[in-house]
Amino acid sequence: GAGVSQSPSNKVTEKGKDVELRCDPISGHTALYWYRQSLGQGLEFLIYFQGNSAPDKSGLPSDRFSAERTGGSVSTLTIQRTQQEDSAVYLCASSLTASGGWTDTQYFGPGTRLTVL
Amino acid sequence: GESVGLHLPTLSVQEGDNSIINCAYSNSASDYFIWYKQESGKGPQFIIDIRSNMDKRQGQRVTVLLNKTVKHLSLQIAATQPGDSAVYFCAENIWDTGFQKLVFGTGTRLLVSP
Repeated sequence: GAGVSQSPSNKVTEKGKDVELRCDPISGHTALYWYRQSLGQGLEFLIYFQGNSAPDKSGLPSDRFSAERTGGSVSTLTIQRTQQEDSAVYLCASSLTASGGWTDTQYFGPGTRLTVL
Repeated sequence: GESVGLHLPTLSVQEGDNSIINCAYSNSASDYFIWYKQESGKGPQFIIDIRSNMDKRQGQRVTVLLNKTVKHLSLQIAATQPGDSAVYFCAENIWDTGFQKLVFGTGTRLLVSP
């Protein structure tokens, strides 16, 4: 596709339920990032993928959060046993590489707005 | 639309004026900086970037200035238009245990009046 796409655009769930958020990066981009944006706050880094591997998962808020990426493309962010404080916009970005050059520019998707009731 | 932040610093300008949005970054080792524009209900959109070996970079109606001495970044928008109304974030690229990570500022809301 022309840009990063995310689905669903909006998700309302009940406390305690599991949710899956999907990200389709720009074709050919090897690096993929997940961020969380809460109301009144900036973007919080969650996790980064280079290919299918995630070198650093320390940004994930708790062990209820996990992410995977398959085939070097689509990524899924899963939140188990959702809590009200998980309500936020979850943004995905991709970049051509993550090698420290100009090709590292991250391009963002529109985000998934998660509301936990 | 969704509000990105309720307590963001706000810059209000008239259409046609030049706008300057400032940002202080924290890590003197940061080597790459980006400005993003975020409209309500949308993801951040890349505007312009600059490497640490540069002081200035110009795009279409936008200029980014980098002052490494005081760790300050600014975005200048010429002839501001109502469509420029959005929240603007600066981001610094840092290397953390072998991979790059963007650290975002808290954002500035730009309001352009016709």
